Amino acid sequence: EAGVTQFPSHSVIEKGQTVTLRCDPISGHDNLYWYRRVMGKEIKFLLHFVKESKQDESGMPNNRFLAERTGGTYSTLKVQPAELEDSGVYFCASSQVETPGRETQYFGPGTRLLVL
Amino acid sequence: AQSVTQLGSHVSVSEGALVLLRCNYSSSVPPYLFWYVQYPNQGLQLLLKYTSAATLVKGINGFEAEFKKSETSFHLTKPSAHMSDAAEYFCAVSGITGGGSQGNLIFGKGTKLSVKP
Repeated sequence: EAGVTQFPSHSVIEKGQTVTLRCDPISGHDNLYWYRRVMGKEIKFLLHFVKESKQDESGMPNNRFLAERTGGTYSTLKVQPAELEDSGVYFCASSQVETPGRETQYFGPGTRLLVL
Repeated sequence: AQSVTQLGSHVSVSEGALVLLRCNYSSSVPPYLFWYVQYPNQGLQLLLKYTSAATLVKGINGFEAEFKKSETSFHLTKPSAHMSDAAEYFCAVSGITGGGSQGNLIFGKGTKLSVKP
């Protein structure tokens, strides 16, 4: 079974440009999460989809970030316009909907974003 | 509110020595606790998780962790370190949200483990 995949693995862009990150969850996983790790800091939650619906987007830093999950399969995270502080590693995770305590989130390898 | 504190951003042990990575948590609801590992250039991999069953949890690669409610701790141990254990380790907590689901993970800052030959 394929794991969570993310594309691209690395992205280097200039301040003010737009970048779109993609996440393909494990097939059949309705939960999809985005996290971000800024250098030297902890991994922080950005948002949570259940199928195509945003369950929780309380971690989104500002309105320059837009996440979508059309059709409840893959998800995209767009940053427009990118700022220097957006640099970091963006992780995607997916899980099956389970009773609390039984859920396990499976993580992708991350996208390393550098904004110059 | 929930939070996680990992003591020590870097830990170095000799091959064959005990590995002890510390994690303390704060949670206003019964917590679910996790240890993930990230090997160089890879994603996060689940080592083990505590979900209110046995307090001593065994994971992959010989790791285990003990949930101690009185100490609000979930330290990760391995009796004998191997060179291949060199990686970054993350402790995380989640709990039941107002919507009844498990919700997102809250991570500690991570501990980088080095293993000396």
